[in-house]
Amino acid sequence: KQEVTQIPAALSVPEGENLVLNCSFTDSAIYNLQWFRQDPGKGLTSLLLIQSSQREQTSGRLNASLDKSSGRSTLYIAASQPGDSATYLCAVRPQGGSEKLVFGKGTKLTVNP
Amino acid sequence: NAGVTQTPKFQVLKTGQSMTLQCAQDMNHEYMSWYRQDPGMGLRLIHYSVGAGITDQGEVPNGYNVSRSTTEDFPLRLLSAAPSQTSVYFCASSYRPSGGRNIQYFGAGTRLSVL
Repeated sequence: KQEVTQIPAALSVPEGENLVLNCSFTDSAIYNLQWFRQDPGKGLTSLLLIQSSQREQTSGRLNASLDKSSGRSTLYIAASQPGDSATYLCAVRPQGGSEKLVFGKGTKLTVNP
Repeated sequence: NAGVTQTPKFQVLKTGQSMTLQCAQDMNHEYMSWYRQDPGMGLRLIHYSVGAGITDQGEVPNGYNVSRSTTEDFPLRLLSAAPSQTSVYFCASSYRPSGGRNIQYFGAGTRLSVL
């Protein structure tokens, strides 16, 4: 059974700092990995999707990497801002099934002004 | 485009009551799904559908029914609400392209309390 773990569960940093969020998964047989952002009381917004054949994806100040063989992904946020404060969720789409996702429990990020 | 729309946003039920959570998408997505989010548990898949007339169970299907009569709508029915079903429910949808580029779009959620 695929399991996704995110470390740390919570992170507090000063504004302007570069930071890394970690995600690990137990089964490397995946189609893709997605990073989502969730604001309090809101739904999920997809930030980046990395296909299994890719190593990384970038969008603005965000860069996500994927090492499928070791079951790891990182989300790098450059020059963090208070507006980046949210919970970040990692999810993998296992191979051999439908489009269903397996989620980690998230990392709650607080960026202090 | 409205994207994925969930109604209601909030609901309080008494144990044993039934209700339907509504989900609609206007993106002509084939795939739709329901998740529940509980503190310390992350999001867990309840039911999903790969097209009109086709549904299947996810990780935690007990106590919930679904149907998919149209591409746009995927309602989730609670047959007899229990306090254990107190949660935040999210509906999601996506295309089914080849190559694994199926970005999933989520609704804003329904916050359900069962007393």
